[in-house]
Amino acid sequence: AQSVTQPDIHITVSEGASLELRCNYSYGATPYLFWYVQSPGQGLQLLLKYFSGDTLVQGIKGFEAEFKRSQSSFNLRKPSVHWSDAAEYFCAVATSASKIIFGSGTRLSIRP
Amino acid sequence: DARVTQTPRHKVTEMGQEVTMRCQPILGHNTVFWYRQTMMQGLELLAYFRNRAPLDDSGMPKDRFSAEMPDATLATLKIQPSEPRDSAVYFCASGLTTGSSRNTEAFFGQGTRLTVV
Repeated sequence: AQSVTQPDIHITVSEGASLELRCNYSYGATPYLFWYVQSPGQGLQLLLKYFSGDTLVQGIKGFEAEFKRSQSSFNLRKPSVHWSDAAEYFCAVATSASKIIFGSGTRLSIRP
Repeated sequence: DARVTQTPRHKVTEMGQEVTMRCQPILGHNTVFWYRQTMMQGLELLAYFRNRAPLDDSGMPKDRFSAEMPDATLATLKIQPSEPRDSAVYFCASGLTTGSSRNTEAFFGQGTRLTVV
């Protein structure tokens, strides 16, 4: 069955530090992968997506993610975080029927 | 600015009452998703539609929940009768599916926060 695992429930990083959020997926074929961000009281906003091609994808707000088939991973990175990046981040995979399944999320806190 | 619109944004109701949540997908989108978000379960897919036809509603408790798309501009999620355990934020999302069905990018509404007392 398809699934997404985000092993870190909560991460705190200092403002200006680099960030990496982990995501592992389980899917039999080539996955279609997404990262979304959710601010408190808001819906989810798409940060970036991977469908095919270059395994390093760029997104909005300075985020990028790298697809690694050998590790079944799609980790999200940002070189320097800002206080406004504090939010919940969700990794997701689309199935063959375009059902989108989400991971449990990682809450990001920023230390001043 | 195209967006998914959900109404109401907040709903407080008594146990046993019927609740209807509405969603207006982005014009031209042909896929609509309903998700439920709770602290314990995270984001659960309840149902989704393509061209107004239900594709999968296996995530939905069938005895009390129902989802429909009366037309292309309206999706509804009903709970009857509601129970306290239904308290959650319900999100609608829409997307345009073309060609390969897996490249659907979902655009989310702001959600309906439901409290059943």
